[in-house]
Amino acid sequence: YELTQPPSVSVSPGQTATITCSGDKVGRNYTSWYQQKPGQSPVLVIYQDAKRPSGIPERFSASNSGNTATLTISGTQAMDEADYFCQTWDSTTYVFGTGTRVSVL
Amino acid sequence: QVQLQESGPGLVKPSETLSLTCTVSGDSITSRTYYWGWIRQPPGEGLEWIASMYYSGNTYYNPSLKSRVTMSVDTSNNQFSLKLTSMTAADTAVYYCTRVLRDYGDFPIDYWGQGTLVTVSS
Repeated sequence: YELTQPPSVSVSPGQTATITCSGDKVGRNYTSWYQQKPGQSPVLVIYQDAKRPSGIPERFSASNSGNTATLTISGTQAMDEADYFCQTWDSTTYVFGTGTRVSVL
Repeated sequence: QVQLQESGPGLVKPSETLSLTCTVSGDSITSRTYYWGWIRQPPGEGLEWIASMYYSGNTYYNPSLKSRVTMSVDTSNNQFSLKLTSMTAADTAVYYCTRVLRDYGDFPIDYWGQGTLVTVSS
């Protein structure tokens, strides 16, 4: 089972970044999203498709349906520049997406 | 404040066994709310799940690594460990220990250790 993400997404400050995570019937499983900045450990930004952990800004939102899960960053800030990974649990196995580098230009 | 800290060798020779330990502070490894696990990330690449475990023994392994991996829990020291046998250059990666939220269907990872780089080289 594979989750495919675009390798890169570019966004201007203040604009909306949209990151997709495509997989066969991914919408049938809950999905999480992680942010990873260079040299740092990943940070959970979304779990159970659309829930934000404490401390994660409201500009991070997500949805999951059909064959695509989507992470949206509204009003993107320079601090949001990072790699983003989707993740799901398929039966008895973790599956991570291929990762997307978000550049804020 | 929960903290996870990996410990182990930074350099392993080909064909040898890697042994890593994760020490958990600020939480009990016997908590019913969590699984504990290992994730790795080769330099410049994505995340790869290795194994996850409940403290009482339920263990899940990545099918592609299952024949070489053993995960265990030491409740007396609030630690858990990873053994990976027959190491090759392809196993060179940053290894993270993690805490997993057990009550959600996607088993999200809410805490990560800082990671430890393991290089396989003679």
